[in-house]
Amino acid sequence: DVKVTQSSRYLVKRTGEKVFLECVQDMDHENMFWYRQDPGLGLRLIYFSYDVKMKEKGDIPEGYSVSREKKERFSLILESASTNQTSMYLCASSTPRGWSSYNEQFFGPGTRLTVL
Amino acid sequence: KQEVTQIPAALSVPEGENLVLNCSFTDSAIYNLQWFRQDPGKGLTSLLLIQSSQREQTSGRLNASLDKSSGRSTLYIAASQPGDSATYLCAVMYSSASKIIFGSGTRLSIRP
Repeated sequence: DVKVTQSSRYLVKRTGEKVFLECVQDMDHENMFWYRQDPGLGLRLIYFSYDVKMKEKGDIPEGYSVSREKKERFSLILESASTNQTSMYLCASSTPRGWSSYNEQFFGPGTRLTVL
Repeated sequence: KQEVTQIPAALSVPEGENLVLNCSFTDSAIYNLQWFRQDPGKGLTSLLLIQSSQREQTSGRLNASLDKSSGRSTLYIAASQPGDSATYLCAVMYSSASKIIFGSGTRLSIRP
């Protein structure tokens, strides 16, 4: 079974703090994704990566950055957290590399981030 | 513009009924369509993946169909059980724009 883990289930931070969300997958998947999920807006793609040190912007990258130094780990960084970044953050992974009909996404349990 | 729509937003049925959830999408240039379930406060669990060249996929009591020409997919759940209560989401991977769009989900409640 594919396993995607996220570093925290719940996180509370203050405005202006730098926040790191970590995601690890154990199935040697090339692609990794970060989404946020908000009531009424659904899931929206923030960033994705199809290889180590590679990243592509999704639909809402503003205010976020990412890091992929190792194949199994994909980090989402909030450089200066703001209250409008309070959300559920979901990480996913898939194979093969890039976009294709075979890509099945597997999700982690999510991190509920609250920015005060 | 690529969009994915799920109607209804919520559905409540008695236990044992067969039911169908709908997902419609614009633009037939897709790689695949994936169905997920999400329990409250949790991540998404993959149920079925239908590749663009396929018409349907089955897993246990679940059957998903894909009709690209009409821009529709259905998820059929047979003999529903209270444990099936969850939000069901569909996601379309578009080949025309290399992006993934999620529907807003159908919240399903199975009454014992």
